[in-house]
Amino acid sequence: NAGVTQTPKFRVLKTGQSMTLLCAQDMNHEYMYWYRQDPGMGLRLIHYSVGEGTTAKGEVPDGYNVSRLKKQNFLLGLESAAPSQTSVYFCASSYDPKLGGAESSYEQYFGPGTRLTVT
Amino acid sequence: DAKTTQPNSMESNEEEPVHLPCNHSTISGTDYIHWYRQLPSQGPEYVIHGLTSNVNNRMASLAIAEDRKSSTLILHRATLRDAAVYYCILRRRSGSARQLTFGSGTQLTVLP
Repeated sequence: NAGVTQTPKFRVLKTGQSMTLLCAQDMNHEYMYWYRQDPGMGLRLIHYSVGEGTTAKGEVPDGYNVSRLKKQNFLLGLESAAPSQTSVYFCASSYDPKLGGAESSYEQYFGPGTRLTVT
Repeated sequence: DAKTTQPNSMESNEEEPVHLPCNHSTISGTDYIHWYRQLPSQGPEYVIHGLTSNVNNRMASLAIAEDRKSSTLILHRATLRDAAVYYCILRRRSGSARQLTFGSGTQLTVLP
């Protein structure tokens, strides 16, 4: 199992450019998440998805859009990048405990991150 | 959401036990206590979780106070590879998102 993978690993954008970050998981997880991490801070939730075709806003959703067309993929889009979006982006996935698993099945598995710089 | 308070940084000597404290005085009865850690330049990884009783796994132990207002993550023998930021997180048992809210964590330095 590859677990959670993220593409690309690094990217530099100019202000106003757009891009899409791809997250893929091979663990058949229902839930997927996008976080951002700024220097010296913890992770903040941008958007999440509780299943294929569903998405919802997290703590800091402004300036981002997401799509979950396939269960294994979760895409994060920046339509018009701004310097304030310079950050490291992490994707995560987890099972849905409502399907009968224990609390431990809630464990989130994180990808290696994408370092994005907007100049 | 209930908040957690952790020291910004701690140091430990290699092969000695480490006790990482976390205060969560506003915890509710439905909150699980989760610990994650983030090694340098990596995504966070799950360490352990608990509700009321102390818990052990291959990575660590979690000691939960009787009133649940605090907890301690215990690494029994710290190694250099345990140097990381450790996050104490409260996760509401109900709700559809099963979200994790990360604070700034404790930076653990392990000295050789």
